[in-house]
Amino acid sequence: AQSVTQLGSHVSVSEGALVLLRCNYSSSVPPYLFWYVQYPNQGLQLLLKYTSAATLVKGINGFEAEFKKSETSFHLTKPSAHMSDAAEYFCAVSDLEKLTFGTGTRLTIIP
Amino acid sequence: DAMVIQNPRYQVTQFGKPVTLSCSQTLNHNVMYWYQQKSSQAPKLLFHYYDKDFNNEADTPDNFQSRRPNTSFCFLDIRSPGLGDAAMYLCATSRDRGVTGELFFGEGSRLTVL
Repeated sequence: AQSVTQLGSHVSVSEGALVLLRCNYSSSVPPYLFWYVQYPNQGLQLLLKYTSAATLVKGINGFEAEFKKSETSFHLTKPSAHMSDAAEYFCAVSDLEKLTFGTGTRLTIIP
Repeated sequence: DAMVIQNPRYQVTQFGKPVTLSCSQTLNHNVMYWYQQKSSQAPKLLFHYYDKDFNNEADTPDNFQSRRPNTSFCFLDIRSPGLGDAAMYLCATSRDRGVTGELFFGEGSRLTVL
């Protein structure tokens, strides 16, 4: 069975500071990994995805994530946080049958 | 323009009173999904359709049913809502089976049960 673990249900960073949201995965097959963002009272929007091509994946809004097989990690980063980044972020893993989400990390940006 | 549209955005019902949530898509995708998301929790897959082929998750309660009359529309029926069914219900689509690509989500329908 596949799963993802997101460390830290709440993360606060100052505007302009580095954003780091952690995700570790477990999968019995080579994984497809995703990061989605959810703004209040809205659906989920894809930020980026890893599908076994480049290990460093660039997404929208300046976010990127690096796939590290040895660490079974797929952490999300952004060099400089913006107020508009405040949202809930979900890591997800696919085994080609279904998409399984982590429990999410709520990102707060401090002015 | 919105590609996956859910109605209503907010639904209030009474305990035991049936509810239907709708989802429509303009993407002509083959697969449509229904997720349940409770407060501060991960979205949980209830079931999905690949074209007309219905796939129910093993732990989805019988209280939840779905219909897909055509490619564009999919409905979630909750036959007798309980307090524990209060949640955000998310509809999503993908082009094909085999989740290697992006899921496109609607904005969700938030259900309140009184």
